[in-house]
Amino acid sequence: DGGITQSPKYLFRKEGQNVTLSCEQNLNHDAMYWYRQDPGQGLRLIYYSQIVNDFQKGDIAEGYSVSREKKESFPLTVTSAQKNPTAFYLCASSRQGSFYGYTFGSGTRLTVV
Amino acid sequence: GQQVMQIPQYQHVQEGEDFTTYCNSSTTLSNIQWYKQRPGGHPVFLIQLVKSGEVKKQKRLTFQFGEAKKNSSLHITATQTTDVGTYFCAGRSGGGADGLTFGKGTHLIIQP
Repeated sequence: DGGITQSPKYLFRKEGQNVTLSCEQNLNHDAMYWYRQDPGQGLRLIYYSQIVNDFQKGDIAEGYSVSREKKESFPLTVTSAQKNPTAFYLCASSRQGSFYGYTFGSGTRLTVV
Repeated sequence: GQQVMQIPQYQHVQEGEDFTTYCNSSTTLSNIQWYKQRPGGHPVFLIQLVKSGEVKKQKRLTFQFGEAKKNSSLHITATQTTDVGTYFCAGRSGGGADGLTFGKGTHLIIQP
């Protein structure tokens, strides 16, 4: 079955640490996205990538970094510069173009302790 | 930047009642998509609307796209407990594959 896998499901980070969230898809999708979800805030776009070795900042990119070295993988690093990283992080993928729906992973819940 | 506003934020209904959520964009949209997120889950794609004035149905769900392509609605007839969750609209105003802008969602709570 094709799908999109995020790991870990839960992640605890100490203040000042960088952490990397994994996102892997086997749907052969070109485009991949990272969203952050906070209670009452909906989904906010962090970064997106339409093709390997290329990515663009979304609305709330500060304190985050990404890479896209392989079509299947789009890891997100939450750096120590992110002031309020506790949130639910969702990765999604889609076929390239504006007329395709997203397939979401099951998410990673990050908590700063 | 583009903003997508969704109302109401919460809706309590008795099982069997109808439910409607509304979505409004600050800019004209090329298309609008709807997603459902069950409690503790992740968003799941429901449908996409592209044409001005378009209406689509999925069983008890009816989706509409406004004539000006700036607003949309989702109507559920005779709600069931399985309809519980948060419904998001999401749109983009460009033609590329830049990220969708999501509304904040409407939480549907159903009382049996």
